[in-house]
Amino acid sequence: EVQLVESGGALVQPGGSLRLSCAASGFTFSSYWMHWVRQAPGKGLVYISHINSDGSGTSYADSVKGRFTISRDNAKNTLYLQMNSLRAEDTAIYYCATLDVYSSSSFDNWGQGTLVTVSS
Amino acid sequence: DIVMTQSPDSLAVSLGERATINCKSSQSVLYSSNNKNYVGWYQQKPGQPPKLLIFWASTRESGVPDRFSGSGSGTDFTLTISSLQAEDVAVYYCQQYYSSPRTFGQGTKVEIK
Repeated sequence: EVQLVESGGALVQPGGSLRLSCAASGFTFSSYWMHWVRQAPGKGLVYISHINSDGSGTSYADSVKGRFTISRDNAKNTLYLQMNSLRAEDTAIYYCATLDVYSSSSFDNWGQGTLVTVSS
Repeated sequence: DIVMTQSPDSLAVSLGERATINCKSSQSVLYSSNNKNYVGWYQQKPGQPPKLLIFWASTRESGVPDRFSGSGSGTDFTLTISSLQAEDVAVYYCQQYYSSPRTFGQGTKVEIK
């Protein structure tokens, strides 16, 4: 069974930093691109970043570019999101996900999310 | 970035009636080399992560009831629930995976009338 378990969410002051983790199991983690999506309380889904299977390629939404860094440790089956210079508008549930689509099937899995609150 | 715009923002439909949600992309998400539209539809219920319903604009995910269907091409897409059930109350999102970042629509809330 595929499992994605996020952790690291917390209350942090504006300007602070936080590192989120996503522990993966039940699939060959090193074969898949991984993604972070966030959702502010009561708001919609916002795609923020992805990383390719070996970690050599990344992409970010403009809203987090230069402040957030996605990385992975394939030996530990873990995805990370380093978040710096946090702002109130970064308050959200952060989900990690697989989001793969093939010709006639998909490999779309989401964790339950971890809550980040940026407030003084 | 490709902007995905859904309409309406919310709708109330009677049980057993049809619900239709539209999604428009700011540029075509049809990849000419494989003739596939890089659009998916998600359902999200309160307190849960999103669940993929449809990919390639019209391919139903395994296990998804056949009352859910997707259509459209290029820049205009539709999710249809043919006969609304109580368990379909949720927020629905379209997403493009044609280019990075993979943007979502703003969501459409479906309720029972």
